Amino acid sequence: KAGVTQTPRYLIKTRGQQVTLSCSPISGHRSVSWYQQTPGQGLQFLFEYFSETQRNKGNFPGRFSGRQFSNSRSEMNVSTLELGDSALYLCASSLNGGNYGYTFGSGTRLTVV
Amino acid sequence: AQKITQTQPGMFVQEKEAVTLDCTYDTSDQSYGLFWYKQPSSGEMIFLIYQGSYDEQNATEGRYSLNFQKARKSANLVISASQLGDSAMYFCAMRDLDSSYKLIFGSGTRLLVRP
Repeated sequence: KAGVTQTPRYLIKTRGQQVTLSCSPISGHRSVSWYQQTPGQGLQFLFEYFSETQRNKGNFPGRFSGRQFSNSRSEMNVSTLELGDSALYLCASSLNGGNYGYTFGSGTRLTVV
Repeated sequence: AQKITQTQPGMFVQEKEAVTLDCTYDTSDQSYGLFWYKQPSSGEMIFLIYQGSYDEQNATEGRYSLNFQKARKSANLVISASQLGDSAMYFCAMRDLDSSYKLIFGSGTRLLVRP
């Protein structure tokens, strides 16, 4: 079966712009989580959605937002981009919160210039 | 607060030998899960193995086994018969199973397998 699909794979944006990243989970998975990975801060949790509801949110400013659609696909949006937002953004899906493993996508590498 | 500590930034292992990657955790929760992920240079996080806090047996998945010592709060990953393709970053992670849906990750260990 198809894995977790994240688009685009690479993105270059200018400071002050906004960006939207997309994640399509494994078919049947209803939970989607987002993580930011940077060399300095490592892997940090952004938010988690289940059946279109946000259940958990990490410690990120309000510029970071997300949503989930009825088909479980999820998007995350970052407004007013800063240089420090340059990172690998990873999406993970699971049936319901992943007691036995989340499946991650290949990530979107965002570069802010 | 939950915390994962991986004290080995980098490790070398000879091909076909076994290697242990260390992971200690800190939590006040009784019900939690421990995960290991592999991240090749391509960036994708590959799930390797899971251990629940109430599981009495150590988890095993093929060449991967998890040495779970609950009293010491450690969850070390053992890779047997290392292969060149095992060269990657390895992350230990934890999740509180009762109240949270987020994974807390350690800083990772870069493993290099020598031929």
